[in-house]
Amino acid sequence: DARVTQTPRHKVTEMGQEVTMRCQPILGHNTVFWYRQTMMQGLELLAYFRNRAPLDDSGMPKDRFSAEMPDATLATLKIQPSEPRDSAVYFCASGFGGPGLNTEAFFGQGTRLTVV
Amino acid sequence: KNQVEQSPQSLIILEGKNCTLQCNYTVSPFSNLRWYKQDTGRGPVSLTIMTFSENTKSNGRYTATLDADTKQSSLHITASQLSDSASYICVVPGGTNFGNEKLTFGTGTRLTIIP
Repeated sequence: DARVTQTPRHKVTEMGQEVTMRCQPILGHNTVFWYRQTMMQGLELLAYFRNRAPLDDSGMPKDRFSAEMPDATLATLKIQPSEPRDSAVYFCASGFGGPGLNTEAFFGQGTRLTVV
Repeated sequence: KNQVEQSPQSLIILEGKNCTLQCNYTVSPFSNLRWYKQDTGRGPVSLTIMTFSENTKSNGRYTATLDADTKQSSLHITASQLSDSASYICVVPGGTNFGNEKLTFGTGTRLTIIP
């Protein structure tokens, strides 16, 4: 069945290293979201794309985070350099949306990132 | 500031019992409200989406209610099962830009069903 696929599922890295998380959205979906979940903050929207164009990345620390969609089947979230406070679960979600539509987001399994 | 508050933070009930989870929101403008279920170690899964005109919506043993006047929603679970143990998150899209993709998430209610 159709699902959002995220890789890797788990990542442990040292502070200062670059981290790349990947997401394959559900085929046919035109909207891709990146969320971060921590115990303290819950789920926070980092950025989202419509038809591969970034619509909003105001939730993302610009100095170290970057999000791209090289093609319709791949979304990436990079952190460079990583810091211990970036430790969280990062979720990708996709949906079909547009003005006036209630975009239902389908979430992937998440990437659990630990920065030591 | 758009906010979504949920109560209780956590709840433990016996298998077979019913329970009700609460959600209060201040998000404006309002277009719809969603309930998600998140199992441990997994991504959230949508249970229901309620629009402004809907008061009640059911999905199996889950029934969501919405009072847009008081800005409150509830999720009622009937005849709970062990598999209902999860976090239940209330989500309200907000903002006027680009439709309603900017979701404001509640902090969730952690539900534990014990045999």
